[in-house]
Amino acid sequence: AQSVTQPDIHITVSEGASLELRCNYSYGATPYLFWYVQSPGQGLQLLLKYFSGDTLVQGIKGFEAEFKRSQSSFNLRKPSVHWSDAAEYFCAVGESAGKSTFGDGTTLTVKP
Amino acid sequence: GAGVSQSPSNKVTEKGKDVELRCDPISGHTALYWYRQRLGQGLEFLIYFQGNSAPDKSGLPSDRFSAERTGESVSTLTIQRTQQEDSAVYLCASSLGWGTATDTQYFGPGTRLTVL
Repeated sequence: AQSVTQPDIHITVSEGASLELRCNYSYGATPYLFWYVQSPGQGLQLLLKYFSGDTLVQGIKGFEAEFKRSQSSFNLRKPSVHWSDAAEYFCAVGESAGKSTFGDGTTLTVKP
Repeated sequence: GAGVSQSPSNKVTEKGKDVELRCDPISGHTALYWYRQRLGQGLEFLIYFQGNSAPDKSGLPSDRFSAERTGESVSTLTIQRTQQEDSAVYLCASSLGWGTATDTQYFGPGTRLTVL
């Protein structure tokens, strides 16, 4: 069975600092990988997704993620965090038609 | 255009009562999904509708949970004889294509269900 692990429950970074959120997955085939953001009072929004090809994926809001098959990882990065990035971030593996397995999320706090 | 909408936004009910949660997908989206998100946890897949095909109910946790969808429009998730462990945020999502893993799902704001 597929699974997703987000090792960091909570991360705090200073505004302007770089960010990396970790995601490890277990999957029997080539994974379809996603990162979502959930801001207070708003629905989940897709940041980026990986299906194949270039292992470095660019997303919205200045985020990027790198797929590393050897490490079974799909870490999310941003070079300079803004206060508005404070939210909860979810990594997910799409196993089949619409059925995605989600991690438990990482809550990002941004210090001024 | 309008996104996915869900109603009610909050629902408080007593243990043992039935509840109905509604989802209006984005117009033209053929696929619709229901998820449950317990406090501090990620999303759990519940059920998936694709056009007129039989729904994939493999994620429903018990026979107290059921869902319907009329064509490619509104869907309702019904929980009968609610239990306290049903307390969660119920999220609906829709997608344009055939619900493959490459589709982009658009999520609604969710319904927060509290069972007393």
